[in-house]
Amino acid sequence: DGGITQSPKYLFRKEGQNVTLSCEQNLNHDAMYWYRQDPGQGLRLIYYSQIVNDFQKGDIAEGYSVSREKKESFPLTVTSAQKNPTAFYLCASTPRTGGWFFGPGTRLTVL
Amino acid sequence: QQQVKQSPQSLIVQKGGISIINCAYENTAFDYFPWYQQFPGKGPALLIAIRPDVSEKKEGRFTISFNKSAKQFSLHIMDSQPGDSATYFCAASMGSARQLTFGSGTQLTVLP
Repeated sequence: DGGITQSPKYLFRKEGQNVTLSCEQNLNHDAMYWYRQDPGQGLRLIYYSQIVNDFQKGDIAEGYSVSREKKESFPLTVTSAQKNPTAFYLCASTPRTGGWFFGPGTRLTVL
Repeated sequence: QQQVKQSPQSLIVQKGGISIINCAYENTAFDYFPWYQQFPGKGPALLIAIRPDVSEKKEGRFTISFNKSAKQFSLHIMDSQPGDSATYFCAASMGSARQLTFGSGTQLTVLP
């Protein structure tokens, strides 16, 4: 059963904490992406990676970090430098032929 | 810099009616235009997509109309059903850049 999995589904963060969101895909896609979605708004690109061990900043990368050590995995760390991290985070992947596929999302809340 | 503008922000349609959502883009290098459907608390799911070499694409009750000269494209949902109530996003990408730029979304409500 191929697809994109994200964990956890819900995540709570205290002020000053770093948290890591998991994204795994078994679609053999080259490129992976992280988007942030705020209520009533569209998706904004945080980071993307087109190949293992390489990634690029998106439009709102400040306060976030990523790694791409394996083709299947693209974890996102929300650092304490991100002042307003409460949002819905979506991971996506795409093959070379195009067509973005999204995971189910992680809802992060700052306590 | 908003490269894809979507309207309306919200739309209410009676069951059986036609829902129309519009998007306009600025970058003429865009070559792939998908529409996504998103239910609350879920990730977006690809609904239908079009490339600029065709003016219309139909899949079931969903149709994309594409006007290259006007740099506009729209989603038409025929015979709208309450189960179609969701948020719809248009998007655009350039093949070489492999980045997807989203519109701001339209919240569709289909009344029974």
